[in-house]
Amino acid sequence: AQSVTQPDIHITVSEGASLELRCNYSYGATPYLFWYVQSPGQGLQLLLKYFSGDTLVQGIKGFEAEFKRSQSSFNLRKPSVHWSDAAEYFCAVGLGGFKTIFGAGTRLFVKA
Amino acid sequence: DGGITQSPKYLFRKEGQNVTLSCEQNLNHDAMYWYRQDPGQGLRLIYYSQIVNDFQKGDIAEGYSVSREKKESFPLTVTSAQKNPTAFYLCASSIASSRSYNEQFFGPGTRLTVL
Repeated sequence: AQSVTQPDIHITVSEGASLELRCNYSYGATPYLFWYVQSPGQGLQLLLKYFSGDTLVQGIKGFEAEFKRSQSSFNLRKPSVHWSDAAEYFCAVGLGGFKTIFGAGTRLFVKA
Repeated sequence: DGGITQSPKYLFRKEGQNVTLSCEQNLNHDAMYWYRQDPGQGLRLIYYSQIVNDFQKGDIAEGYSVSREKKESFPLTVTSAQKNPTAFYLCASSIASSRSYNEQFFGPGTRLTVL
């Protein structure tokens, strides 16, 4: 069965430190991969997406993600976290057509 | 500004009542979606619509109904048959192409609470 796993329910990093959020998926074909961010009480905003080609993709707000087929992973990274990055982050896998599977989310806390 | 609007932001329902959540988009997207979000869980698909006057059940359609009479609008009705409707509801839309089906744009959400 297709699935998306975000192993960390929450992560705390210091402002200015680097960040990596993990995402693993289970899907037989090459998926469409997304990272979304959600501020409390708000909708989701697309950070970046991978469809094909270069496995390192750049997104908005200084985020990047790397697709590793051998590890079925699509981890999100940022070299220096800002307090405004505190939010919940969702990894999603598009299966083609209208089906998208979302991970359970990772809540990021940023400490001063 | 193009985007998706949802109303109301907060909605309270008494048991046994039907309520309707509004979703409007001016992005000229063909596809629209309704998701339910519960704490600690990802988004779960309730219904989606590819085109006007057509919609399909998602993973958790029981107790919900939708209509798609206009391209811009995709209202969701939470019926009394939905036993646990308290949740955050998100509407989304996407353009209808083979890969962009899955790149979705989200509204700000409606928080529904059953009293």
